[in-house]
Amino acid sequence: AQKVTQAQTEISVVEKEDVTLDCVYETRDTTYYLFWYKQPPSGELVFLIRRNSFDEQNEISGRYSWNFQKSTSSFNFTITASQVVDSAVYFCALLGNDKIIFGKGTRLHILP
Amino acid sequence: DSGVTQTPKHLITATGQRVTLRCSPRSGDLSVYWYQQSLDQGLQFLIQYYNGEERAKGNILERFSAQQFPDLHSELNLSSLELGDSALYFCASSVESGTVNEKLFFGSGTQLSVL
Repeated sequence: AQKVTQAQTEISVVEKEDVTLDCVYETRDTTYYLFWYKQPPSGELVFLIRRNSFDEQNEISGRYSWNFQKSTSSFNFTITASQVVDSAVYFCALLGNDKIIFGKGTRLHILP
Repeated sequence: DSGVTQTPKHLITATGQRVTLRCSPRSGDLSVYWYQQSLDQGLQFLIQYYNGEERAKGNILERFSAQQFPDLHSELNLSSLELGDSALYFCASSVESGTVNEKLFFGSGTQLSVL
């Protein structure tokens, strides 16, 4: 069975602070993909990153970075120097065996 | 703009009614996925179609059905609606069938309110 757990339901930080969103997954597939999506207040889901199970290299994109650790089945997302526009719900997702499973999301509030 | 179009954006109806949600995928995408996002259940995968055929099924109720037409647009039919069906329904599309190199493009969703 596949499962994605985002234990942090809601996080509030002050602008310019760094914040890490946790994602832990379970799968028996040897090949799988992990994703992060952002859902701003407007409601749309915005794709942020895709990572396959064979590539554990960390990725940085501007203020965003992702730490994939297969040993702990985690795919954490860090926002550096957060901004108010980062306020959104962030979803971690796992794709394996033709099905994509989402975590319940972490609502991030960036306070000015 | 993801290129995925969902209509209507908002839908208000009463219990017991039937509604149809429509999704037009990005040009060239063969797969369409339907998701339900509610406050208590989070984002739940409902069903996937690939080139007109059902490919994968998730937590879709028997009162719900979907289809993908030859022009690749898809419709999600919800019948005998209950209060608990109130949610944001997303459609997503992709080129592939959902196995590898998957990048889903989401529509802006249809907000369904059942009163």
